[in-house]
Amino acid sequence: GDQVKQSPSALSLQEGTNSALRCNFSIATTTVQWFLQNPRGSLMNLFYLVPGTKENGRLKSTFNSKESYSTLHIRDAQLEDSGTYFCAAGASSSFSKLVFGQGTSLSVVP
Amino acid sequence: AQTIHQWPVAEIKAVGSPLSLGCTIKGKSSPNLYWYWQATGGTLQQLFYSITVGQVESVVQLNLSASRPKDDQFILSTEKLLLSHSGFYLCAWSRQGGSDYTFGSGTRLLVI
Repeated sequence: GDQVKQSPSALSLQEGTNSALRCNFSIATTTVQWFLQNPRGSLMNLFYLVPGTKENGRLKSTFNSKESYSTLHIRDAQLEDSGTYFCAAGASSSFSKLVFGQGTSLSVVP
Repeated sequence: AQTIHQWPVAEIKAVGSPLSLGCTIKGKSSPNLYWYWQATGGTLQQLFYSITVGQVESVVQLNLSASRPKDDQFILSTEKLLLSHSGFYLCAWSRQGGSDYTFGSGTRLLVI
């Protein structure tokens, strides 16, 4: 089954609006990473989280380990935010494996 | 600062031909190294990981092999490519005991 379930699978946002992406974990997760994959395929690190919240510019991410989920909030979406967002679950007991969700394909339109 | 370099950027290969993809990490000693594979439009699936020179663990069997001949080098290879090997191959590193991964820019492979 899906160990890391991402929602929504696809999303279209108007420029300037806000939205949230979510990941639910059904495996033991002690850290979460969020990535943005651009059309060329490069994965850009957005956040590395232990339980808690981090903010960077228009992006904010929370990892709630007790309820096994993480969210990524995008504020004031811009065209360059388009791409595929992946969350990935890490476990300190098994540092050798980072398990990815299926991704959210985001399209920001004018 | 650490840098991760993958080569080649892209390959078109015939079914049954051999393959070798490379990954080099500079600026970090004794990193954990990983190979991931991504089908077009799909998620990333871990193939191999290595925590030290000469030691590689397989996560998924895809008729591929990996080796770590030097501390800063990770090689993915096969002697006979299949059509199903097409996709995007990404190398990543993390610090020892860490789960904070940094990925290379990937190699796009098309097997025909």
